[in-house]
Amino acid sequence: DGGITQSPKYLFRKEGQNVTLSCEQNLNHDAMYWYRQDPGQGLRLIYYSQIVNDFQKGDIAEGYSVSREKKESFPLTVTSAQKNPTAFYLCASSIVGGLSGANVLTFGAGSRLTVL
Amino acid sequence: SQQGEEDPQALSIQEGENATMNCSYKTSINNLQWYRQNSGRGLVHLILIRSNEREKHSGRLRVTLDTSKKSSSLLITASRAVDTASYFCATALPMYSGGGADGLTFGKGTHLIIQP
Repeated sequence: DGGITQSPKYLFRKEGQNVTLSCEQNLNHDAMYWYRQDPGQGLRLIYYSQIVNDFQKGDIAEGYSVSREKKESFPLTVTSAQKNPTAFYLCASSIVGGLSGANVLTFGAGSRLTVL
Repeated sequence: SQQGEEDPQALSIQEGENATMNCSYKTSINNLQWYRQNSGRGLVHLILIRSNEREKHSGRLRVTLDTSKKSSSLLITASRAVDTASYFCATALPMYSGGGADGLTFGKGTHLIIQP
């Protein structure tokens, strides 16, 4: 089955530690995204990548870093510089371009990070 | 900044009734999409409507778009308990027509509860 796998599902971190959230897709999608969701809030874009070895900052990139060394993988590192890292993190992917220009996103199940 | 804003924030109806959610946005769009999120899970794409379309149907879902008022509505007919979820509208900016992948902008969502 094609889809997006995020791991771990739950993660606890002490203040001052960096953590890396994994995101793998086997949909052969070119674009991948990381969103952050806080309780009762919508999704805010952290980073996105259209092709391998290229990525752009979203609306709230400060305190986060990403890499895109393979088409299938787009890991997100939450650094100690992120002031309020406790949140639900969602990875998504999509086809880039095409005649429609529409970007329908396929989401993973999410990773919930709690800073103790 | 939020592009889409859903209304109401929460909605509780009896099973079998119709549920209507509204979304307003601020700038011109290429398309508008609706997603569903069950508690603690990733989002699932429901339906997409392009800026040159006024209405679309998919099963029990009906979406309308009024670009002059910068608003959209999602109607779920004959609601069922499984429809209990949060519903988000997401907008794609006109730059997408060139095949860009800047990520969708999401609203804060409408939390729908279907009472048995």
